[in-house]
Amino acid sequence: ELKVEQNPLFLSMQEGKNYTIYCNYSTTSDRLYWYRQDPGKSLESLFVLLSNGAVKQEGRLMASLDTKARLSTLHITAAVHDLSATYFCAVVGSNSGYALNFGKGTSLLVTP
Amino acid sequence: GAGVSQSPSNKVTEKGKDVELRCDPISGHTALYWYRQSLGQGLEFLIYFQGNSAPDKSGLPSDRFSAERTGGSVSTLTIQRTQQEDSAVYLCASSFQTGSYEQYFGPGTRLTVT
Repeated sequence: ELKVEQNPLFLSMQEGKNYTIYCNYSTTSDRLYWYRQDPGKSLESLFVLLSNGAVKQEGRLMASLDTKARLSTLHITAAVHDLSATYFCAVVGSNSGYALNFGKGTSLLVTP
Repeated sequence: GAGVSQSPSNKVTEKGKDVELRCDPISGHTALYWYRQSLGQGLEFLIYFQGNSAPDKSGLPSDRFSAERTGGSVSTLTIQRTQQEDSAVYLCASSFQTGSYEQYFGPGTRLTVT
């Protein structure tokens, strides 16, 4: 069974600070996703990482993938309040039509 | 173009009633996925369709849950004899085909069983 673990699950950080969210998964996978979810809203795709060493950046967010360690990170640089949301990583399993297996999510609150 | 749409956006039902949740995928997307998001279980995969076929139904929580897809487009998730533990947000996603990198999510249906 494919397991996806995120940590931390809750994160409160001050504006301007940097932090990293970690996502570990239990079996090999050929792709990893990061999604953002605002309260009461659906999932917004942030990044799709497809290969070992892949790094993608969008604004203050940067995601990376180490398939050998089965680890992805989402790094937040100089956080701003607008980044407050819940962030999910998800991994594709080897069956079920590439359905996504999600972590429990990291609830991020950026405070002044 | 239009994204994934779901209806209703909210549904309140009494325990024991049947409910139908609808998903309209992005036009031309052959793969369609149903997920459920609840406080206790997080985001969990339920079922997927490739065209009108659902090859793997093992993610459905019980035999009270069923889903169908017609014409390679609209899908309906039916929950019979609803229970309080069925209360959750049901999310639908579609992709161009299974194996496509992007899955696009709809806004979800919030189901409350009283």
